[in-house]
Amino acid sequence: EVQLVESGGGSVQPGGSLRLSCATSGFTFSNYRMHWVRQAPGKGLVWVSCINSDVSTNYADSVKGRFTISRDNAKSTVYLQMTSLRAEDTAVYYCTRDGSGLGYWGQGTLVTVSS
Amino acid sequence: QSALTQPASVSGSPGQSITISCTGTSSDVGGYNYVSWYQQYPGKAPKLMIYDVTERPSGVSDRFSGSKSGNTASLTISGLQAEDEGDYYCCSYAGGTFVFGGGTKVTVL
Repeated sequence: EVQLVESGGGSVQPGGSLRLSCATSGFTFSNYRMHWVRQAPGKGLVWVSCINSDVSTNYADSVKGRFTISRDNAKSTVYLQMTSLRAEDTAVYYCTRDGSGLGYWGQGTLVTVSS
Repeated sequence: QSALTQPASVSGSPGQSITISCTGTSSDVGGYNYVSWYQQYPGKAPKLMIYDVTERPSGVSDRFSGSKSGNTASLTISGLQAEDEGDYYCCSYAGGTFVFGGGTKVTVL
């Protein structure tokens, strides 16, 4: 059974940093592109970043230069290092697996940026 | 990286068909056959309903179908049921990056 479990969310002050983790199981992690998608309270889904199986990365303009996505294939885990956090980064962050659409999602982890 | 344009809400009576549009540009929707659709209930993670414009994952009802014409993709729900009520999002590959639509709230009258 494919499972994705996010962790690392919490409350942080503006300008602060946080690292999210997404531990996966049930599939050959190294073969898949992984994404982070966020959803601000009461708002829609927003694509944040992805990391391909070749470790190349892409970012939304809104987070470029502040967020870094990475993966550890030995641990089947994808990370999102978030720095210079802003109030508008407040959201539930979902980890999701690509492969004929985003077919598997974690439960999400809430990040709140507030003073 | 502008969000794809979806209607804010669509409604229909049980048994009817509804269509949700998703308009982008030649740099995303129109440029690739990589449009997907997601259903989301409040407080839950999204669920994949359609991928690669027209393909339906195993387990998704055949009442859901997708299409695309130019820069606009569409999701059609046939034989609308109460359980179809929720939020729907389109998503398109945009040449390395991805972009979601703003979401459409589907109401079953």
